[in-house]
Amino acid sequence: NAGVTQTPKFQVLKTGQSMTLQCAQDMNHEYMSWYRQDPGMGLRLIHYSVGAGITDQGEVPNGYNVSRSTTEDFPLRLLSAAPSQTSVYFCASSSIRDGSYGYTFGSGTRLTVV
Amino acid sequence: AQSVTQLDSHVSVSEGTPVLLRCNYSSSYSPSLFWYVQHPNKGLQLLLKYTSAATLVKGINGFEAEFKKSETSFHLTKPSAHMSDAAEYFCVVSPFYSGGYQKVTFGTGTKLQVIP
Repeated sequence: NAGVTQTPKFQVLKTGQSMTLQCAQDMNHEYMSWYRQDPGMGLRLIHYSVGAGITDQGEVPNGYNVSRSTTEDFPLRLLSAAPSQTSVYFCASSSIRDGSYGYTFGSGTRLTVV
Repeated sequence: AQSVTQLDSHVSVSEGTPVLLRCNYSSSYSPSLFWYVQHPNKGLQLLLKYTSAATLVKGINGFEAEFKKSETSFHLTKPSAHMSDAAEYFCVVSPFYSGGYQKVTFGTGTKLQVIP
């Protein structure tokens, strides 16, 4: 089925460890983004990309890196995990040729940093 | 600049009664407005969207929302709640234009409880 695939679904990290959250979409969407969801704070944008080779920071980028080498993939890297990064992470994509399209979301990665 | 306010963090209704989830927005541009639903431990699913066409928008699962520019509101309604509607709902605003990046702002969510 067409959509956004995130892996892993769950992860526990120790403080200081690094890891990569994977995101892939098969809808040929130009726009991809990463959000974190924390209780009472809604979704906050971490990084986004409007096409292969183009990335930019959202509102909470510190401690995270991204790259976009292909249209399909948009991995999120945690460089040195901290307990404050415990959250649920969502990847989302959309077509930006028509600004009226809504996002398609992945099912999320639940990350715990101990 | 744009913002979105969901006026209730929790709403509780009895099964079979109407649902009203309230959303107010502000936007410097003609906005697109969306409602998403998130069931426990799931991703967000698009319920419906408004993009400057008809002001009354029908979505999936019997939900609809009305865009009221004079009141800067986009409230979500359903005539009769079902147990499966229990979830968290997010109102989202973005400026409407094509061919460019859309800055999207999420509300903080409304949790809907449906009582049998």
